[in-house]
Amino acid sequence: QVQLVESGGGVVQPGESLRLSCAASSFTFSSHAMHWVRQAPGEGLEWVALISFDGSNKYYADSLKGRFTISRDNSKHTLYLHMNSLRADDTAVYFCARDPRGPTTTPPPNWFDSWGQGTLVTVSS
Amino acid sequence: DIQLTQSPSFLSASVGDRVTITCRASQGIVSYVAWYQQKPGKAPKLLIYATSTLQSGVPSRFSGRGSGTEFTLTITSLQSEDLATYYCQHLDSYPITFGQGTRLEIK
Repeated sequence: QVQLVESGGGVVQPGESLRLSCAASSFTFSSHAMHWVRQAPGEGLEWVALISFDGSNKYYADSLKGRFTISRDNSKHTLYLHMNSLRADDTAVYFCARDPRGPTTTPPPNWFDSWGQGTLVTVSS
Repeated sequence: DIQLTQSPSFLSASVGDRVTITCRASQGIVSYVAWYQQKPGKAPKLLIYATSTLQSGVPSRFSGRGSGTEFTLTITSLQSEDLATYYCQHLDSYPITFGQGTRLEIK
């Protein structure tokens, strides 16, 4: 059974940085594109970023470009989200999610068949 | 960007009812939509992909259909465990967007 476990959330002050991790297990992590999706308290889902199976291609939500960076380490079966210059409106639960397709260098949008439990990031002074 | 608008935003129904949630796109969707169910405090769960294909393990009372700018999720014979918020997602282009959600309450 696919397992995705996020970590790294916490309380930070505006302007600070944070790195989230998503540890994957029970599937061939290196064959799948991966995403980050976030959800502000009481709000809906917002797609954040995608990284292809080999890390060669990345896509971001327009509003986050330049501040957030998605990366992966296939040898460690881990997905990352580096978040800089955090703002109060970045407060959210951050989920990692799997694209169920096999290796695709330039993955078109797809559904997410497995999600982690999420990690809460709170940006507050 | 493609905007998705779900209706209704809130729905109250009884066990055994048939309910339909609509997802309308701001422009024609060439590919597909997916539907997710999110129970309080939990991660979203994939219900339907490619507009009408039921994800493995999802009860057959859930179904999806649609094309162009209008897509629907239908639950026949509503069960108490269907209490959740439901989201549609388009698969046409980046950025991926979701509908704002439909909160389903069981009377």
